[in-house]
Amino acid sequence: KQEVTQIPAALSVPEGENLVLNCSFTDSAIYNLQWFRQDPGKGLTSLLLIQSSQREQTSGRLNASLDKSSGRSTLYIAASQPGDSATYLCAGPYSSASKIIFGSGTRLSIRP
Amino acid sequence: DGGITQSPKYLFRKEGQNVTLSCEQNLNHDAMYWYRQDPGQGLRLIYYSQIVNDFQKGDIAEGYSVSREKKESFPLTVTSAQKNPTAFYLCASSMAGTSSYNEQFFGPGTRLTVL
Repeated sequence: KQEVTQIPAALSVPEGENLVLNCSFTDSAIYNLQWFRQDPGKGLTSLLLIQSSQREQTSGRLNASLDKSSGRSTLYIAASQPGDSATYLCAGPYSSASKIIFGSGTRLSIRP
Repeated sequence: DGGITQSPKYLFRKEGQNVTLSCEQNLNHDAMYWYRQDPGQGLRLIYYSQIVNDFQKGDIAEGYSVSREKKESFPLTVTSAQKNPTAFYLCASSMAGTSSYNEQFFGPGTRLTVL
C-alpha cells in the first residue's frame, strides 16, 4: 500500500528560526509532489509543485526539494514568522494519471 | 476572481437524510475531486472526475454519489447509507486529468455534522 509519511506530526519553534519539514513515500516512484498549507477550518492552499523533471522549487522564503531515489521531500522555511503557523501537507501521485496521496500533515507553531 | 467555491460552509444532517454539497469552479479546469478530511488525518479521495459526464470512485466512495453534467460543477451527495458522515469535505480541481498531473487547487471546504 502506498503511503505518505510526514514527520514530525507537530513542531513548535521560536520566531526567526529556519526549519525543515519532512515528507517520505513508501514507494520511491513518486511522479511529482505538491506542498500545501492549511489554516484551521480552511481549505488547502498550494505552496509549491515540483514537477517530475524537477528537483526543487522556490517561492519567497520557501524551498521544496524532491529526491526520488530516496522517496523523500523536504520543505524548508527560512526566517520563520508567527504567520507561518499552520498545518503543512505534502501529496503526490505515483504516475501522471493516478490519484494523489496525502500525508497527514505537520502542525507548525511559530512562537513570537 | 478565479477560484473554487463550496457551499454551504456548514451543514447539519439528520439521521436518514440525504444532503448535497456544492462545488463550483471558474478556472476552466477539466478535473475535479472530492476529499474527506477527519481530525488528525490526511485527505481521503471520495470521487473524481476527469471530464464532463464521467467520474470514478476513489478510496471511500461508499455512501456517496456525484454528478458532472457541467465542466464547472461537481456536486457531492452524502446519502443515508454513509454511516459516519461527520467530517470536513474539500473539493479540488486541476487543469488536466489524464495527460499529466497538474497543480491541484482547493475550495474553502464544507463542514458536515450529523445531528
